[in-house]
Formats: sequence, structure tokens, C-alpha cells
Amino acid sequence: GNSVTQMEGPVTLSEEAFLTINCTYTATGYPSLFWYVQYPGEGLQLLLKATKADDKGSNKGFEATYRKETTSFHLEKGSVQVSDSAVYFCALSALPLGTSYGKLTFGQGTILTVHP
Amino acid sequence: DTAVSQTPKYLVTQMGNDKSIKCEQNLGHDTMYWYKQDSKKFLKIMFSYNNKELIINETVPNRFSPKSPDKAHLNLHINSLELGDSAVYFCASSQGWTGGLNTIYFGEGSWLTVV
Repeated sequence: GNSVTQMEGPVTLSEEAFLTINCTYTATGYPSLFWYVQYPGEGLQLLLKATKADDKGSNKGFEATYRKETTSFHLEKGSVQVSDSAVYFCALSALPLGTSYGKLTFGQGTILTVHP
Repeated sequence: DTAVSQTPKYLVTQMGNDKSIKCEQNLGHDTMYWYKQDSKKFLKIMFSYNNKELIINETVPNRFSPKSPDKAHLNLHINSLELGDSAVYFCASSQGWTGGLNTIYFGEGSWLTVV
């Protein structure tokens, strides 16, 4: 079945540091890939997405490139801020074989803490 | 304007009780979902409805019964609550159910604690 594996956290960085959160996936067919963010005490928000190989999703200074050859969708940001402290989820959506519906499969989440 | 709203946000209840969580979306979407987030932050889909019809049921215990009176509402009723039901429950919606191209919008979550 489909699965998503994220780098284990928690990740602790100083403000303005470079961020990478690794994400790899296993899926049949051609999945769409997503990063969701969950700020403390809040629900999930879509951060960015990519729907085909070599697409780059970007939002709020975050970027991720859909790499089919390495089955990866790593999240990066050049300079993190304290306000980026949150839990980040990598996810994929694919149509299971023999069905016409899709569903999101999430990674385990990575807690990011940014200190001033 | 809240796109996906769910109530209550916090719920503390005793084992054995029956409780409901309500969800409404004002996005005009035709597909709604319930996700469960456990204490380790792991998220897993429970149910999905498209136009009031159940399309995904991820082997959730039958103590959990979703009900969709119309395509803008998907409520979750839980019978005979157990300690292991303590979690955050997220409602979500999207236009269509083909995943991928249809962004899923999440509510703010309902924190359920069973004591």
C-alpha cells in the first residue's frame, strides 16, 4: 500500500537557519504530494503541493520538489523564523487500484522548534 | 468566515459515554472526511463521504458512526467511549474525491479526552 516516511524529529533550529525536512514515499501509480503544517493548538493547513514529477511547490518561503527518481518530496526553507515552529506533515494522495476515489496518506509528522 | 467548522473543540467525558462531534463546511464541497490524530501526532483517515454517500471506511470500530444529513455536514457519533478513543478528531472537506488535484481543507480539530 501507499506510505510516507518523514525524518524523525524533533528538529530544533535557531532563527535564520536553513531547514530541510526529508520525506520519501511509496505509492503505486502517480501520486500527488503535499506538505501540511499544524501550528500549536490549530488544525492542519495546506502549505504546498505538487501534482507531477519535477513540479516544485512553494509557499511562504518553503519549497519542495517532486522527485520521482528518488521518490522524495523534501521540504526546505532558506531562513526560518520563530513563527515557523509547528508540526509539518508530508502526505500523498493516489487512487488505489480498482477504485475511483483518493485519500491522503500522511507521514508521522516532524516537530519543528525555532529559537530566537 | 470559517470554512470547515467543528464543535465542540474540547470534550472531556467518562468511559462508556456516548458523544457526538459536529462538522459543517461552507465551501460548497461535495466530499467530507473524518481523520483521527493520536497522541504521537499520527494522522489516519477514518471515513469519507461524497454527496452523503459513504465511500471510505477504514476499518474503524462500529462504535463510530458517521452521519451526513446533507453534503455540507458530516457528524461523528461515538458509542461506549473507551480510553483509547482519546485523540484529536479532524473534519475535512474537498471538491471531489480524486485526491491529488482537489485540495483538502481541515477544520481546527476536536480534542477528545476519555477519563
